Amino acid sequence: EADIYQTPRYLVIGTGKKITLECSQTMGHDKMYWYQQDPGMELHLIHYSYGVNSTEKGDLSSESTVSRIRTEHFPLTLESARPSHTSQYLCASSSDRIASLYGYTFGSGTRLTVV
Amino acid sequence: KNQVEQSPQSLIILEGKNCTLQCNYTVSPFSNLRWYKQDTGRGPVSLTIMTFSENTKSNGRYTATLDADTKQSSLHITASQLSDSASYICVVSDRGSTLGRLYFGRGTQLTVWP
Repeated sequence: EADIYQTPRYLVIGTGKKITLECSQTMGHDKMYWYQQDPGMELHLIHYSYGVNSTEKGDLSSESTVSRIRTEHFPLTLESARPSHTSQYLCASSSDRIASLYGYTFGSGTRLTVV
Repeated sequence: KNQVEQSPQSLIILEGKNCTLQCNYTVSPFSNLRWYKQDTGRGPVSLTIMTFSENTKSNGRYTATLDADTKQSSLHITASQLSDSASYICVVSDRGSTLGRLYFGRGTQLTVWP
């Protein structure tokens, strides 16, 4: 049973709309991440957080923003969605102490389509 | 440049057959290598994780090998099942930063036919 939850699973919206992708984990992990993945391509890190009130941009430039007000919650927001934002967004978390050994736990992803 | 290359890009096998997926990496300094299984439209699920000192690790019908000298890894699937159809992603972590930077391959898309 997954301990990291993403909602919605699928989202189709019109251009210019503001959207928030939700990600919550129940494992008490310090580190959380957002990845973007296009079909047949590798995952790209777009945001990460070391803990509450900590957010950093990842390797892939993204117009999205994130917040980390609570340990368990790491939402991603797009102020004005565009067709170029169409992609799959994956949230992940890891324990600060054992991230290097036990890897990440990924959510099931949100498939976003902007029309 | 730190990279992870996987081959083949896609593979079709018949149910019950074995197969081997390859991963070559140039990530340095090396921390660990992980294999993930990703079903279509889902998030990746960890299969194995190996550190520098480990050269083989099994998880049921999945066996991963690691040659840290040649920077190569393989994932062997035995007696394939229809449910093995998925993308298999090789991920290498470096130990050059506190984040434990991950480098992702593009995956091998495996299709198992009845």
